[in-house]
Amino acid sequence: DTAVSQTPKYLVTQMGNDKSIKCEQNLGHDTMYWYKQDSKKFLKIMFSYNNKELIINETVPNRFSPKSPDKAHLNLHINSLELGDSAVYFCASSQDAFLTGDTQYFGPGTRLTVL
Amino acid sequence: DQQVKQNSPSLSVQEGRISILNCDYTNSMFDYFLWYKKYPAEGPTFLISISSIKDKNEDGRFTVFLNKSAKHLSLHIVPSQPGDSAVYFCAASETYNTDKLIFGTGTRLQVFP
Repeated sequence: DTAVSQTPKYLVTQMGNDKSIKCEQNLGHDTMYWYKQDSKKFLKIMFSYNNKELIINETVPNRFSPKSPDKAHLNLHINSLELGDSAVYFCASSQDAFLTGDTQYFGPGTRLTVL
Repeated sequence: DQQVKQNSPSLSVQEGRISILNCDYTNSMFDYFLWYKKYPAEGPTFLISISSIKDKNEDGRFTVFLNKSAKHLSLHIVPSQPGDSAVYFCAASETYNTDKLIFGTGTRLQVFP
């Protein structure tokens, strides 16, 4: 029943490791997003994909690489994890990226802790 | 540079009374505004939105007011209920970049009996 799901929900890892967070939506939406909520609760967009194509890439280090194998999935792979990467990462989807005010549906978030 | 600001990190309101959550923005190109509600351990859920061509939008107990000249919007919840206790995020977008939402830092609302 879950519209937008993310796995894992919690991720604790050491600095320097490589990790992935998976996101899936079953809403038939064309656009998916990754957001980062930092320690100050600031929710900031990282990437946006429309029909598997990257349309937004907001000054995110190259260590972050989104991968969209199909329209329903947008995974986030992070290389060489750093302490500053610790945050809650939210995946979201919307029907049409170019439709004014299109509602975005969010996943439950993945809390990443880098030790 | 924070383009969307929610200056009150928390708000406590008695059940049955009005809750007013405020949001200010600096980018004059923003013309679509949304409010999201977030419960602990869940993602934000869409609550209500308003386009810049309007100054008010109402949906049940929730009303959003937009003052373009002051670059200010507010969310009114009347009457407040304990189930409204959550974090509320204000978000904004520009006409030609509608998928890029800029969020405020959120206001935690607590409604007590």
